[in-house]
Amino acid sequence: EDQVTQSPEALRLQEGESSSLNCSYTVSGLRGLFWYRQDPGKGPEFLFTLYSAGEEKEKERLKATLTKKESFLHITAPKPEDSATYLCAVDNNNDMRFGAGTRLTVKP
Amino acid sequence: ETGVTQSPTHLIKTRGQQVTLRCSSQSGHNTVSWYQQALGQGPQFIFQYYREEENGRGNFPPRFSGLQFPNYSSELNVNALELDDSALYLCASSFRFAGTNEQFFGPGTRLTVL
Repeated sequence: EDQVTQSPEALRLQEGESSSLNCSYTVSGLRGLFWYRQDPGKGPEFLFTLYSAGEEKEKERLKATLTKKESFLHITAPKPEDSATYLCAVDNNNDMRFGAGTRLTVKP
Repeated sequence: ETGVTQSPTHLIKTRGQQVTLRCSSQSGHNTVSWYQQALGQGPQFIFQYYREEENGRGNFPPRFSGLQFPNYSSELNVNALELDDSALYLCASSFRFAGTNEQFFGPGTRLTVL
């Protein structure tokens, strides 16, 4: 069965302390892997799409990478405003499967 | 460019009632997907509509139904509400063509079933 697993469930960082979030997946036919940011009580905000192993994308302090079985979201020198839940999703031919998310807290 | 909008923002219903949630797609998008998000969980795919027809469905019972209109807006209908239907309902729009499915989400409708 198709699965998306994110780790850790929660992560607390000090401002400036870089780290990585993991998204591992098992799908029969990957058509894309997506990263979203979600603030409490709001809809997910699109960050990145990755389509093939080896692909990387960057936006400000965030960098997403993709291998055949997992993706990483690297956060460099995070700020308190980066605190949010980060969701990973895989597109398996019209069935978008989400992980449970990593809840990131960045302390000043 | 207009983003995805949803209405209402919040809704309280009682068990057994029916509810209709509404979504307007982002300008230029022709596909709408609906998701249910329970507290502390990731969104779960309910179904997707393209050209006014259901184009994929997740593991939800038939009492969850939808519509897409010619202007690409959409409705989610839930009959015979159950307590477990309490959740944030998200609508996402996208432009369907080969090779991509980047979806952009609305703010959601918070449904509480008492």
